[in-house]
Amino acid sequence: QKEVEQDPGPLSVPEGAIVSLNCTYSNSAFQYFMWYRQYSRKGPELLMYTYSSGNKEDGRFTAQVDKSSKYISLFIRDSQPSDSATYLCAMSAGNTPLVFGKGTRLSVIA
Amino acid sequence: DAGVTQSPTHLIKTRGQHVTLRCSPISGHKSVSWYQQVLGQGPQFIFQYYEKEERGRGNFPDRFSARQFPNYSSELNVNALLLGDSALYLCASSLADLNTIYFGEGSWLTVV
Repeated sequence: QKEVEQDPGPLSVPEGAIVSLNCTYSNSAFQYFMWYRQYSRKGPELLMYTYSSGNKEDGRFTAQVDKSSKYISLFIRDSQPSDSATYLCAMSAGNTPLVFGKGTRLSVIA
Repeated sequence: DAGVTQSPTHLIKTRGQHVTLRCSPISGHKSVSWYQQVLGQGPQFIFQYYEKEERGRGNFPDRFSARQFPNYSSELNVNALLLGDSALYLCASSLADLNTIYFGEGSWLTVV
């Protein structure tokens, strides 16, 4: 079992839809959870950063962490064509290297 | 403010050759990490340097080496290149810890 599992998609949604992206993990030591957005042939861009369990909201983006289920989510409200990218979840145990999922490729169709 | 800058952006090498990739961190950041991203996969950790000392090493062969300079810039060296080394090599910087890291645009390496 890989440490971090992420459905690679691709996921295609109409403009304005609510998008749900998810990752599961096996290492209970993970405490720091991140979501990165990566446009084609570009470096990953940090979107959301969460420590431990709970929710965090930033504009149209909401990150949720459920440590009891070892499950994290990223919700995108009112999705836009500019949100079309690959979304990578990443996590660490604290001052340890990030462990990434494979990434989910999202297309938002106008 | 300049972000993490990497050079070169693209390069093509032949099997068996050597490559050096360079990275300048965000101003004030003292930690630099290197990741390899193969097409269709998430980034894989290669090295982390903090204050010019190696703080971590991923599961990569000894053909991979790195160093950090007094100005906190870094270079990644790969010897005896294999076809499987073809990937996007990402440099990331952070203030001190590894929990919030910011990536550069990467160096695309193609080995033929």
